[in-house]
Parts: sequence; structure tokens; C-alpha cells
Amino acid sequence: NAGVMQNPRHLVRRRGQEARLRCSPMKGHSHVYWYRQLPEEGLKFMVYLQKENIIDESGMPKERFSAEFPKEGPSILRIQQVVRGDSAAYFCASSDMGDTQYFGPGTRLTVL
Amino acid sequence: QKEVEQNSGPLSVPEGAIASLNCTYSDRGSQSFFWYRQYSGKSPELIMSIYSNGDKEDGRFTAQLNKASQYVSLLIRDSQPSDSATYLCAVDPGEGYSTLTFGKGTMLLVSP
Repeated sequence: NAGVMQNPRHLVRRRGQEARLRCSPMKGHSHVYWYRQLPEEGLKFMVYLQKENIIDESGMPKERFSAEFPKEGPSILRIQQVVRGDSAAYFCASSDMGDTQYFGPGTRLTVL
Repeated sequence: QKEVEQNSGPLSVPEGAIASLNCTYSDRGSQSFFWYRQYSGKSPELIMSIYSNGDKEDGRFTAQLNKASQYVSLLIRDSQPSDSATYLCAVDPGEGYSTLTFGKGTMLLVSP
């Protein structure tokens, strides 16, 4: 019974590069959420997706950030032209009917 | 602005004692409430969910909800050193789908 999977677990990028974070939801789950946790800060909602649809992206910065959840394959959170302030832990969660969310292990992004 | 407030702690309790963690929320229309546990460097792990006023017990954990006071708490009985972690309160605004608003968490330290 595989849980939510995320990869890579650790990602190092230089300023200006692109970061791609992947999330595979739990089996049977069709709702995916992305959260960001900055050092010493709480978890902040970024975006909520269902297959091929962005339901709510109100927490995602308007520039440089994008997310998708294609019909086939994992959900992808993409950060273009990364800056040092993007360094954080990015967590993906999934749910079945849009209720209880289960979290993946996270991707720790470090921007040099 | 929907807010979830928690005392950052640390809350220190001796082994075997009851730990009481508190959370208040600003959105009176919130419908679902969750407690997650997060060990340092790890992802949030669901402990309890509660939807109705009153108490909900699960093993050593009891969640309490008072919607009139916009207050939710988590009691941990017979605290163990392994319970030492940050406990995150999360609130679902109940707008038809679930995007959780998290508090910053309370750090619990259980001393042997």
C-alpha cells in the first residue's frame, strides 16, 4: 500500500535554473495538493489539482511557479529561474474525495 | 485572511503526563479540523481528524472541538519521549473542497 511518493527528495539548484518536483498520489487518490514550508514557518498551501485540472492556485506565486497533473503520470510543480528565497521544503499531499490529506516525504530544495 | 493560531512552545511535559495542545481559528465557517505530527526534517503525519463539536478519542489521543469558541485541542495521555515533535493544527475552510490552512505548530518535548 504505497503512500504518496515525491522525488527527488533533495534538489540543489543554482540561481536562475529550473526546479521540477514530482508527486505521485496514493493509489486511488485523484486530488493533489502542494504546500511549501519555509524554515521556521508553517505549511502554506500553494495549489490544488485534480487530473488535468487546476482547481485552486490561490496560494501559488503568480510568476515563475506552475503546476500540472496530467492524465498520465505524476503531478509536477515547476519553478523557473529559482531564487534563494525559493529554498524550502515542498510537500505534496493527496486525498480520495477531497477530504483527509496524506502527505508525501517532501522535496527539500536548496538554491545556491 | 483565514488564520490558525498555535502557541509555538516548546511545551515540556514529563513522561507519563498529559500534554495539552491548543489551536484557535478565525474562519467561523470552517468545517473540518486536523492534527498532524511532524518530526524534525520529516513530513506531516495525520494524527486525528474531527468534524463535530465535542471529543473524539483514538488511543492515547483525544481531539476536542468547540466551534462556538473557534477552538480545537489535542490531548495526549501517557506522553512518551517518542511523542516529542511539532504538532500542526490544520483547518479546512469548507468551501466545497479541501485546502488546509495550517498553524505554525507547537513543539512538544517529553522528558524521560
